[in-house]
Amino acid sequence: SQQGEEDPQALSIQEGENATMNCSYKTSINNLQWYRQNSGRGLVHLILIRSNEREKHSGRLRVTLDTSKKSSSLLITASRAADTASYFCATESPNRDDKIIFGKGTRLHILP
Amino acid sequence: DAGVIQSPRHEVTEMGQEVTLRCKPISGHNSLFWYRQTMMRGLELLIYFNNNVPIDDSGMPEDRFSAKMPNASFSTLKIQPSEPRDSAVYFCASSPLRARTGELFFGEGSRLTVL
Repeated sequence: SQQGEEDPQALSIQEGENATMNCSYKTSINNLQWYRQNSGRGLVHLILIRSNEREKHSGRLRVTLDTSKKSSSLLITASRAADTASYFCATESPNRDDKIIFGKGTRLHILP
Repeated sequence: DAGVIQSPRHEVTEMGQEVTLRCKPISGHNSLFWYRQTMMRGLELLIYFNNNVPIDDSGMPEDRFSAKMPNASFSTLKIQPSEPRDSAVYFCASSPLRARTGELFFGEGSRLTVL
């Protein structure tokens, strides 16, 4: 069964704007990760946030985690055409050793 | 490092045929995962191994699916007999066990079409 659910399913924005994607999950977690997938390619890890962290930055990426609401957000600032891809959240639960479950993803399209 | 290597990249077969997908994880990685991706169901975890031992195969859809990891550098996912509903992209991913960045390294996937 899937743990994470991304929202929205699809998002189109103008280049230069910020893109925000959300992820909600159901059970407690050890950590939450975000991945990116370009069309026809494998997934690439972007960032990991642990359950005791609230916010993390990496370049133009900002991830937040609210364990009380069981939700996370991924913000991409100053979007570029190359950011067009699908973005997935993935969770690792405390009682499921190394088992990492993905959501269905958000398809992001950056308009030139 | 060459990354996770999967083969074949594309496979078209007829219903009832046996399909074998192969994966070479990154050297030194102790965990290996098989996922299946479809539009309808997204990314589903099929099975994962730690130190070549299957830990959880609860995601394997049915007895037609089997996976092996005979050594640290090779894994197979076999479907016998294949059915049209098995059409999907199958991904292999590896991770350093307990290095604990938690990051998975994915291969480029094997796109399976069962006619």
